[in-house]
Amino acid sequence: KNEVEQSPQNLTAQEGEFITINCSYSVGISALHWLQQHPGGGIVSLFMLSSGKKKHGRLIATINIQEKHSSLHITASHPRDSAVYICAVRRPSTGNQFYFGTGTSLTVIP
Amino acid sequence: DAGVIQSPRHEVTEMGQEVTLRCKPISGHNSLFWYRQTMMRGLELLIYFNNNVPIDDSGMPEDRFSAKMPNASFSTLKIQPSEPRDSAVYFCASSLHSEQFFGPGTRLTVL
Repeated sequence: KNEVEQSPQNLTAQEGEFITINCSYSVGISALHWLQQHPGGGIVSLFMLSSGKKKHGRLIATINIQEKHSSLHITASHPRDSAVYICAVRRPSTGNQFYFGTGTSLTVIP
Repeated sequence: DAGVIQSPRHEVTEMGQEVTLRCKPISGHNSLFWYRQTMMRGLELLIYFNNNVPIDDSGMPEDRFSAKMPNASFSTLKIQPSEPRDSAVYFCASSLHSEQFFGPGTRLTVL
């Protein structure tokens, strides 16, 4: 069983819709990261969370440490948000070792 | 800063050949990571360095893979001999604190 599970695997939305991507993990963590990978392949780090909530533009990331769950929200989605979103957790006992989810492929239709 | 630089961007080679992937981290960053991404397994951490020292290489699949970081501005990932199952995109990333900055990746195809 993968330590990090994401849902949904694939998501299609109409432009302007509110989008939620979920990440659940089964191990103790020191931090959780959300990454964005565009169709061209480049990977960008969106957020690093250890508690609470962070907001950057139309993106909001939340984490509930007790429930071992994080969500990534996109408000007023746009076609340029189309990408794969990857959740990754860092475990305190293993330094910077990352464990990755399999990603959520988002397509936003104009 | 130019960001993390990887070369080559694409590599096609034949089974049994040696492959060397190169990475130049962002200047001033003290951690460097090598990842592999495949359709089947997604992103996997292969090895990471802190201050040029390998900290965790438990993700390196087998002895055919080796990585070096001779100085703070350069790292290599070598596969010898290469096999078709090594075909993947290999990413290098660097960081100073917690946020990692990824290079554009090297797409390796082993025929």
